[in-house]
Parts: sequence; C-alpha cells; structure tokens
Amino acid sequence: EAGVTQSPTHLIKTRGQQATLRCSPISGHTSVYWYQQALGLGLQFLLWYDEGEERNRGNFPPRFSGRQFPNYSSELNVNALELEDSALYLCASSRPRTGELFFGEGSRLTVL
Amino acid sequence: GNSVTQMEGPVTLSEEAFLTINCTYTATGYPSLFWYVQYPGEGLQLLLKATKADDKGSNKGFEATYRKETTSFHLEKGSVQVSDSAVYFCALSDRDTGGFKTIFGAGTRLFVKA
Repeated sequence: EAGVTQSPTHLIKTRGQQATLRCSPISGHTSVYWYQQALGLGLQFLLWYDEGEERNRGNFPPRFSGRQFPNYSSELNVNALELEDSALYLCASSRPRTGELFFGEGSRLTVL
Repeated sequence: GNSVTQMEGPVTLSEEAFLTINCTYTATGYPSLFWYVQYPGEGLQLLLKATKADDKGSNKGFEATYRKETTSFHLEKGSVQVSDSAVYFCALSDRDTGGFKTIFGAGTRLFVKA
C-alpha cells in the first residue's frame, strides 16, 4: 500500500509570492490534515478536510487556504508569503471513523 | 477544549538507560491516545496507541498505558538505543463534527549517547 505522498519536497519562494503544496492520501482514506512544523517547535494544526469539505481550521490567517479534490487529494495554498511561513508542512490522512494519522514526509518551504 | 501536555526536552540518556516521557491530557470525551515518533529529516510515524482506559500500547520495546484516573499516557522504554534518538509526540484524538480531530503535544526531543 502506497503511503501519503507530498510534493514538492522542497520549495523556495520570496516574500509576497504564493506557494502551493500537494498531498495524496493513502487509498481509502477520506480525511486529510495539514500541519505546520516550524523549526524547533511542535505541530500546529492548520486545516482538516473530509469528503471534500473543510471541517476545521487552526489559528492561522486566511492567506492559508486549501481544498480537497474528489479523489481526496488535497492542496494547501499560502498567499502573500512571509518569512515566518518558513517551515515543514506535513500532510496526514486517516481512515473514516478512526483517529490514527498517517503522515507524509513533508514539504519544506523556505521563504527568503 | 482538549489539550496535551508533555515534558519539555531535550532528554539526554546513555545507551541502555531507562526512558520515561511524561504526557498528560485534558479531554471532554473519551479520546484515543497516541505516541508518534519523528526521526531526523522525516515525517511522523505512529509508535503506539491506546483507544480506551487501561489499554496498554506497545511497539519496538516502547510502552504506554492509558490512565483515565490520572489523565496520563506516559511513554516508557526499559533500555534505549542510539537509534531511538528522535522527537516523540504525544497526541489525542477525539470525535469532532464529522470525524476525528487530533491534537499534539509540543514534542520531546530524545538524544541517546553511545
């Protein structure tokens, strides 16, 4: 069974640009979660999608947005990038009606 | 709301030492509890889990028992190895609208010296 895949692995942008990160969940998983992990810090919950709908979002500004496609893959968009957006962005998926998360390797975003 | 608190790191141990990483939680419902591990340069992976009170999760020599009376889920290992050096996250998953929501503790970095 293929795991959660994320792309790109690394992304370098400059302040003010936009970044798009992608995630493909494990087959059969309908929920996708996005977390931000800044250097030296824990995981901050960003967004949760299930069955194509946004179920919950963390305490992040509206320039962080995303969507989930009919095949359950997901996209995270970060507009008007700021230096402090530099972080590892982790995507996770889960089966219906379980709380166990399966994580991808992450996308490291660097904002210069 | 729900929350997870785990001991601050870093924790530095010698090989074959005993490990305890404390984790306590607050929850309004009946959550499942997890320990995830993040090795350097990688994403998180599930280490062990417990879904109800008094359950013991175990994997790779690590153990944790779901203690409802003390709202704790401490991670233990009897003899650590250098390869156990990683960041360990305690997590809680509880029902939310339409599914489950998982929140994480701040993470505890473990260094094991040879």
